[in-house]
Amino acid sequence: QVQLQESGPGLVKASGTLTLSCGVSGDSIISNNWWSWVRQPPGKGLEWIGDIHHSGSTTYNPSVRSRVIMSLDRPKNSFSLTLRSMTAADTAIYYCARVFGGYDVGPLDYWGPGTLVTVSS
Amino acid sequence: QSALTQPASVSASPGRSITISCTGSRSDVGNYNLVSWYQQHPGRAPRLLIYEDKKRPSEISDRFSGSKSGNTATLTISLLQPEDEADYYCCSSAGGVTKVFGTGTKVTV
Repeated sequence: QVQLQESGPGLVKASGTLTLSCGVSGDSIISNNWWSWVRQPPGKGLEWIGDIHHSGSTTYNPSVRSRVIMSLDRPKNSFSLTLRSMTAADTAIYYCARVFGGYDVGPLDYWGPGTLVTVSS
Repeated sequence: QSALTQPASVSASPGRSITISCTGSRSDVGNYNLVSWYQQHPGRAPRLLIYEDKKRPSEISDRFSGSKSGNTATLTISLLQPEDEADYYCCSSAGGVTKVFGTGTKVTV
């Protein structure tokens, strides 16, 4: 059974940097899969942030491309999200997920429970 | 890339069927056979219901089905049950952007 778990600070200061990690069990991040980050502002819809492949290739949403970096931690079987210059608009529940099918346009078949990140002024 | 358009809410009685539309354009929904649908209960992570327009993961009930015509994809829920009350999101690939989600639909049973 594939399981994902997000971890990181629940509170980030405005203009600061957020770093979240997603631990994966039941699958290897170096398998032929892509891995994804999605966020959801409280009471609002889902927004795709970006994907990373086991090769290190990444694709990002243009809306955050200038501020985001995704990376892999192969020994820990995890991947991470770094988002700079945080503002109140970045307050959201952040989810990590597995992309099914070995290609970056595939659906998200396993999700972490999500972690709420609040940006404080 | 703008969010795909879904109705804000749909409601029906138990046992009935409902449809949820997801309207995009020729550059996303209409250009790829890659529409997926997700169900999200309050306080929970989304769950994959449909992928590649109409395929269903093995663990998903056959009461959920997907279809597409032109730039509009549709999720149909048959024999509506109380546990189907949730938010539903469509998602598609779009040129240069691997995933764009719909605006979301709240289903009330």
